This record gives sequence, structure tokens and C-alpha cells, in this order.
Amino acid sequence: LAKTTQPISMDSYEGQEVNITCSHNNIATNDYITWYQQFPSQGPRFIIQGYKTKVTNEVASLFIPADRKSSTLSLPRVSLSDTAVYYCLYGGATNKLIFGTGTLLAVQP
Amino acid sequence: SQTIHQWPATLVQPVGSPLSLECTVEGTSNPNLYWYRQAAGRGLQLLFYSVGIGQISSEVPQNLSASRPQDRQFILSSKKLLLSDSGFYLCAWSAGSFSGNTIYFGEGSWLTVV
Repeated sequence: LAKTTQPISMDSYEGQEVNITCSHNNIATNDYITWYQQFPSQGPRFIIQGYKTKVTNEVASLFIPADRKSSTLSLPRVSLSDTAVYYCLYGGATNKLIFGTGTLLAVQP
Repeated sequence: SQTIHQWPATLVQPVGSPLSLECTVEGTSNPNLYWYRQAAGRGLQLLFYSVGIGQISSEVPQNLSASRPQDRQFILSSKKLLLSDSGFYLCAWSAGSFSGNTIYFGEGSWLTVV
């Protein structure tokens, strides 16, 4: 199973940078690492995806070390609206991706 | 652009009653389709996925079933609901099975079995 380990919850304040790290020790050569965001009573939404090194888009950055056994999602200057659950996933096929309990990020004013 | 819709958004059903949740995708063809369930405070559990019309794979044994009568239509059903079927049900689609494909989720359906 493509199981990941990430903190259950994190607290932050508005304007801070938040880094959420995920462990995926069993990642295979062809697996991509994907992060999703979920707000209450909504479906998860794609944030960012990467294979190695660093990926950046308009909302986040993803850092993946050379061994690819972990990844770090970086959210710059978070706001209250970034309060959500963040899921880290990897796997060989979409039907094998496991959405665990994720990390509940609480941003305070 | 592609869109995904599912309905109804909320429903309250008595134990033993039937269930039908419907999902349609627009703007794409031959998508992979998925049904997930999320219990309160828990992660998402994949229930069914389909790679084509009439092709359904069940991930978890249960009293639910799924059908794909048309390319972009996915239906989740039950003949007799249990209390444990309560939860947040999400339909989703992706362009393919490779994990690099993004999974797009619908708005979700809240089911309360009483």
C-alpha cells in the first residue's frame, strides 16, 4: 500500500510560511508525489505535483530530496483561507492513491 | 473546460431504504471515474472506480454497488442502507490511471442514514 506519514495537525499565523513534510518510504521509481487541499464539506483539490527536486506554482512549492522518501509542501505567507486539510499521496496508479487523514492546518490571525 | 456534477447534495434516508447517487462529467471523454466515501474526521476511502462503460472495480466489500451506463455517468446505489453507510460521498474523475493524472472531485453528497 502507498501509505504516507504526515503530521495530524499544524498551527500557524497569517503571513507565515508553512512547511508540511510527508514521509513515503515505499515510493517506487515511477511514482509521482501529489498534494491535495480539502476544505470542509468539499472535495479535495489538486495543489501541486512533482517527481524530484523542486516544483513551484502560483500557490505552493514542493521540495523532494534525492532519495524521494519524503517531500515538503511549502505554503508562502498563509492566510486564514488556507485553513484546510492537506493530503500527500503517491502511487503507481490513481486507484492506488491513498487519501489518509492528512494534515489539518489551522491558520490564526 | 471539464466539469463534474453530483447529486443530490444532501439526503436523509431511513435504514433499509434504497440509495442512488448520480455523477456526470462534461468536457472530456472516456474518463476514469471514482466513488469515494469520507466518514467524519477521516480520510477518503475509495469505494469503486471505472475505466470504461460497464467496467467497475470494487475496492471495499459492502452493500453498495456502482454502475456506469454511459461514458460520463457514474451511479452509486444501494438496495438497503445501513447506519454505517452515513458519510460524505465524493465522485471524481481523471484522464487516465497513471498516478501523475490529477483527480478532480465533485461537490460531494452528504448522506445521513437514520
